[in-house]
Amino acid sequence: SAVISQKPSRDICQRGTSLTIQCQVDSQVTMMFWYRQQPGQSLTLIATANQGSEATYESGFVIDKFPISRPNLTFSTLTVSNMSPEDSSIYLCSVRNSGAGNTIYFGEGSWLTVV
Amino acid sequence: QQQVKQSPQSLIVQKGGISIINCAYENTAFDYFPWYQQFPGKGPALLIAIRPDVSEKKEGRFTISFNKSAKQFSLHIMDSQPGDSATYFCAASIGETSGSRLTFGEGTQLTVNP
Repeated sequence: SAVISQKPSRDICQRGTSLTIQCQVDSQVTMMFWYRQQPGQSLTLIATANQGSEATYESGFVIDKFPISRPNLTFSTLTVSNMSPEDSSIYLCSVRNSGAGNTIYFGEGSWLTVV
Repeated sequence: QQQVKQSPQSLIVQKGGISIINCAYENTAFDYFPWYQQFPGKGPALLIAIRPDVSEKKEGRFTISFNKSAKQFSLHIMDSQPGDSATYFCAASIGETSGSRLTFGEGTQLTVNP
């Protein structure tokens, strides 16, 4: 399995600011994803992070609000822009392991509270 | 995203009992059905997964039963232990053609009483 490290693990942010979350994987992976999990809720896919090109966003999520970078096969960032209290969530990096079928692993998550 | 419906929302089981969580899906193109276990403050961890070419998969105390015609699958936890208390999510994906994006069920909060 892939080891996924996310930073920060937890943060309290001021309304109107932006925060960038980093995701580092210990091996090259074919696909990286970003999910959001609001308090007490299930996981919702934000976007697929594509290496060297623009991310593919799911319905309801836009690049201006959640810009994503993926400069190589082991690293990605998600920025939550112009935050409001409604953005208080766990943001999870997820990867699909190369050569392991559709096995998909998750990081520990970044817990953001917007005040 | 296509829906995956999960039930029950919460479940209380006595130690040693069997915990059963059910999921139903709509999209017949789904070809991968994992279950994730999530403890408070942690990310989801892959527990067990099945593909539609088999009807059952067992790993230790955890078993997935899959009914392709009914478009349903379930997780059975045998001999449930207090350490199994967590939130369980079923999920589904289509695979290569859709880039393996997971659609999750709503989650089941399992409590196993000692």
